[in-house]
Amino acid sequence: EDQVTQSPEALRLQEGESSSLNCSYTVSGLRGLFWYRQDPGKGPEFLFTLYSAGEEKEKERLKATLTKKESFLHITAPKPEDSATYLCAVQARSQGNLIFGKGTKLSVKP
Amino acid sequence: SQTIHQWPATLVQPVGSPLSLECTVEGTSNPNLYWYRQAAGRGLQLLFYSVGIGQISSEVPQNLSASRPQDRQFILSSKKLLLSDSGFYLCAWSTGGKIYGYTFGSGTRLTVV
Repeated sequence: EDQVTQSPEALRLQEGESSSLNCSYTVSGLRGLFWYRQDPGKGPEFLFTLYSAGEEKEKERLKATLTKKESFLHITAPKPEDSATYLCAVQARSQGNLIFGKGTKLSVKP
Repeated sequence: SQTIHQWPATLVQPVGSPLSLECTVEGTSNPNLYWYRQAAGRGLQLLFYSVGIGQISSEVPQNLSASRPQDRQFILSSKKLLLSDSGFYLCAWSTGGKIYGYTFGSGTRLTVV
C-alpha cells in the first residue's frame, strides 16, 4: 500500500535556527514527490516537485531533497513568517492521484 | 493565468440539512478536479475526483456525492448532513496527463451543528 509519513508532527524553532522536516514514503514506483505549505484556514500552496533520487530544489530559505525512500525539507535561518504546516505528497506510477502525509506544523518564534 | 474559486468560505449547517459546495476553475480546459476533506490530525482525505464532464470517481463511500455538470465546475453535495461531515473541504485541479502539482482553492470550513 502506498504510504506517506511525515515527522515530526510539530516543530518549534527560534528565528534563525535551521532544521529539517522529514517525509518518508512507500510507493510502487514514484512518479513525483510534492511539497506544499498551508497557512491556517487556507488551501495548500505548492512549493516543489521532485522526480528522482538526488534531485534538489530551492526557494528562498527552503531546500527540498529526495532519496529513494524519503525527502527532506531543509529550512535555513527561518523567520516567523515561515510558520505554517508543511505537507508532503507522492504520486505513484500506478495511479494519478496524490497521496498526502499528515503534515508538520512549524512554529518559528522571534 | 489559471485560477480556482471555491465558495462559500464558511458554512454552519444543522444536522439533516442539505449541502452544496461549488468550485470553478478559470484559464484552463479539461482539468482534473478533486474534492478533499481535511480533519484535524487526519491529513488530507481524497473524496472524489473527475477527469471529465459527468465522470466522477469516489474514493471513500460516505454521505456525500459529487457532480461535474460543466468542464470547469465541480460540486460537492449531501442530501442530509451528519455531525461527522464537519471539516475543511478543499477543491483542487491539475492538468491531466502530466506531473503537475495540484492547485488548491481557498477551502470551505463546514460546521454541522
